[in-house]
Amino acid sequence: SQTIHQWPATLVQPVGSPLSLECTVEGTSNPNLYWYRQAAGRGLQLLFYSVGIGQISSEVPQNLSASRPQDRQFILSSKKLLLSDSGFYLCAWSYRTQGDNEQFFGPGTRLTVL
Amino acid sequence: QKEVEQNSGPLSVPEGAIASLNCTYSDRGSQSFFWYRQYSGKSPELIMSIYSNGDKEDGRFTAQLNKASQYVSLLIRDSQPSDSATYLCAGGTLNTNAGKSTFGDGTTLTVKP
Repeated sequence: SQTIHQWPATLVQPVGSPLSLECTVEGTSNPNLYWYRQAAGRGLQLLFYSVGIGQISSEVPQNLSASRPQDRQFILSSKKLLLSDSGFYLCAWSYRTQGDNEQFFGPGTRLTVL
Repeated sequence: QKEVEQNSGPLSVPEGAIASLNCTYSDRGSQSFFWYRQYSGKSPELIMSIYSNGDKEDGRFTAQLNKASQYVSLLIRDSQPSDSATYLCAGGTLNTNAGKSTFGDGTTLTVKP
């Protein structure tokens, strides 16, 4: 069976500090990978998606970046956090070959920027 | 106009009643539709997928799709307090390499015992 991991679960960071969130998927190969952010009481905002190693597409201009150094590893980074970066960050995966967009989410990281 | 819009809620129903959640989408190219359940403080969980016009039933859940009206709904029969959650509607396009979906803002359902 497939499993998706995210860490850390919660994070409190000062404004201007760097960020690194990691996501790994087990039990499948060549997944599509996604990073979303969810503000309180709101829906999901797609930040980045990746269809393969080193292939990153950005959906929203911001001070965040993403990388995919391995097939099942997806990293979200920032050099300097802003207050507006606070939120619930979710990593998700879908089957590349199926193309039907069923996405499966990790447990999420709750980030508070002070 | 948002690409995927859901009735704003919150929605409150008594235990045992039918809960009806609605969603409209603006992109006529959307071909795949999903309902996710999200408990407070948790990540979304996929509960239903629908790709063709009509109804799709899975236990107490029925998803309905009307592509002509660009309308998707989720019915929950015999609602239970454990169904209390936010329900997210999402739409996407089949057979794309990227597999992207667009999510609505969600409808919060409360089932009262």
